[in-house]
Amino acid sequence: DGGITQSPKYLFRKEGQNVTLSCEQNLNHDAMYWYRQDPGQGLRLIYYSQIVNDFQKGDIAEGYSVSREKKESFPLTVTSAQKNPTAFYLCASSNLPSPGTNEQFFGPGTRLTVL
Amino acid sequence: AQSVTQLDSQVPVFEEAPVELRCNYSSSVSVYLFWYVQYPNQGLQLLLKYLSGSTLVKGINGFEAEFNKSQTSFHLRKPSVHISDTAEYFCAVEGGYQKVTFGIGTKLQVIP
Repeated sequence: DGGITQSPKYLFRKEGQNVTLSCEQNLNHDAMYWYRQDPGQGLRLIYYSQIVNDFQKGDIAEGYSVSREKKESFPLTVTSAQKNPTAFYLCASSNLPSPGTNEQFFGPGTRLTVL
Repeated sequence: AQSVTQLDSQVPVFEEAPVELRCNYSSSVSVYLFWYVQYPNQGLQLLLKYLSGSTLVKGINGFEAEFNKSQTSFHLRKPSVHISDTAEYFCAVEGGYQKVTFGIGTKLQVIP
């Protein structure tokens, strides 16, 4: 089955540590996205990538980094510079052949808790 | 710039009653509109989308939405809800440069 996988589902981190969240898709989609979800705030875009070896900052990129070395993979690193990293992180992908096609497919999410 | 407003953060409704979840948007360009559903501790999945054509759009699980350009609205409706519809619902708009903006979500609580 085609889809998006995220791992781990739950992640615990001590303050001051960097952690990397995995996102893999086998949908052959060009674009991939990382969102952060906090209660009452909806989804906020962290980073997105429309092509391999290229990515753009979203609305809340500070304290995060990404890479896009392969089409199917878009890992997110939460660095120690992120002041409030405890949240639910969602990865998504989409195909973008034309306007009106940015229907996004989401992974199951990773819940990060900083201890 | 574009934005999405979901007017209700929580909507309680009795089982088998109808429900409407409201969504308004603003954009300086033509838009495409989406509704997604999120069950607890899961990702989002698409319910329905409006790209063009008929303003009444039917989606999965018996949901439908109506695009109203003059009122810049895209409200989601279901004539009779089930317990399994308890979830959070997100309205989203795709505007210029294929940028997607999500609303803050509406939690639908179906009461037995």
